[in-house]
Order: sequence, then structure tokens, then C-alpha cells
Amino acid sequence: LAKTTQPISMDSYEGQEVNITCSHNNIATNDYITWYQQFPSQGPRFIIQGYKTKVTNEVASLFIPADRKSSTLSLPRVSLSDTAVYYCLVGDIRSGGGADGLTFGKGTHLIIQP
Amino acid sequence: NAGVTQTPKFQVLKTGQSMTLQCAQDMNHEYMSWYRQDPGMGLRLIHYSVGAGITDQGEVPNGYNVSRSTTEDFPLRLLSAAPSQTSVYFCASSYSIGAQPQHFGDGTRLSIL
Repeated sequence: LAKTTQPISMDSYEGQEVNITCSHNNIATNDYITWYQQFPSQGPRFIIQGYKTKVTNEVASLFIPADRKSSTLSLPRVSLSDTAVYYCLVGDIRSGGGADGLTFGKGTHLIIQP
Repeated sequence: NAGVTQTPKFQVLKTGQSMTLQCAQDMNHEYMSWYRQDPGMGLRLIHYSVGAGITDQGEVPNGYNVSRSTTEDFPLRLLSAAPSQTSVYFCASSYSIGAQPQHFGDGTRLSIL
């Protein structure tokens, strides 16, 4: 079963910063948190991965509080092309998590308006 | 690098037919997995592999078989196709910490009549 909970949908406007939060209350010690973006008719695309505190790359930042029971994907200055479904995935199959570490939730449909 | 390559991209089958969806990666990734995605739904895990010779079931394994004879290839077999297996199938791979997918293929769109 998916170990994560996300809002079903979010709306924002071009140029705004968007924050999508994922809840994972039962995160295990060895679990990592990974976020993906998916456009219609395409496979998901890896955005960012982290374990604790903050991770930043060229497209996004990932904020993870000390208790690790949630995480927030931050997209700076979004554009229309950021309209997509965003998934967070939590787990580590190497630590006995098995398929739970590869089980996606329903994702967040982000809609960016002009 | 080609990444994760899935073939075919499209396929139409009749109920009861069998077929194999191919997945190959050229990144020497240990971990590979198969997902299906139905319209408006998220991804559901079918089978996964943590290395050559090792496979395990995911959330929806019934009606599907997998094998992992080499690191590169992870084919998915439909034993006797059913209309309920009409879906888009994605293969993914990873080498990294957590073994969570890093690269996905472009998908195979499968229709069962």
C-alpha cells in the first residue's frame, strides 16, 4: 500500500512559487523521499530525492522537517509547462520494505494558469 | 545512453492471447520494476527485481510473469490477455539509494479486445 498522502489537485499562476506537500507519517529510518513529474501520455520523470533537511537542484527544492513525517516539493516561478501530475514516493526496498517502497500514491494534479 | 527502452510502443491483442512486453536498460542498474497506469489513475506496481535472477511481486501481479536473466533485460509476460489488462505499462530502473525508480521508459499502450 502507498505510504503517502498528497492533495489531489492544486492551482497556481505563472511566475508563482508552488509548494506541494506529501504526508508520510509511517516513514522508516532508512526510507528516502523521491518526487516525480508526469505529463499526459509520458512516463514519470525523476525530479528530486532527499533524506532529510533540504535538497536543491536546477528545477526544484525539497524540504524535509526533522521528524521526516512530511516533505514539501517547491517549484520556483512556475510556468504553464509545469502543469502535470506530481508524485512523492517513500521507501527503500533494500531494507525489507519490499514493494511498499515502490508503490505510488495518487499524486497531485498541478494546474498552472496564465 | 538510451536509458530505458520499451517495446512495442503500441499493441492490440485479442482476449486469451499471450505476449511479452520488452524492457531493456543500458545503465547497469540493479533495480527494475513494472507498473501499469489506467486512465486517470496513479501507477500500480506489478513486479519488481532487485538484481539478475531475483524478482518479486508488487501490488497487482496476477496475470503477469517476469524474469530477470540479465541485468539489462526485464520482460513482462501476459499469460492469457484479458480486457482488464488494457492499460499503459511503464518499466523503470534505478541503481540508487532507496532503489526508487530514476528512469522510466516511454510506455507500452496495450489494448485487449
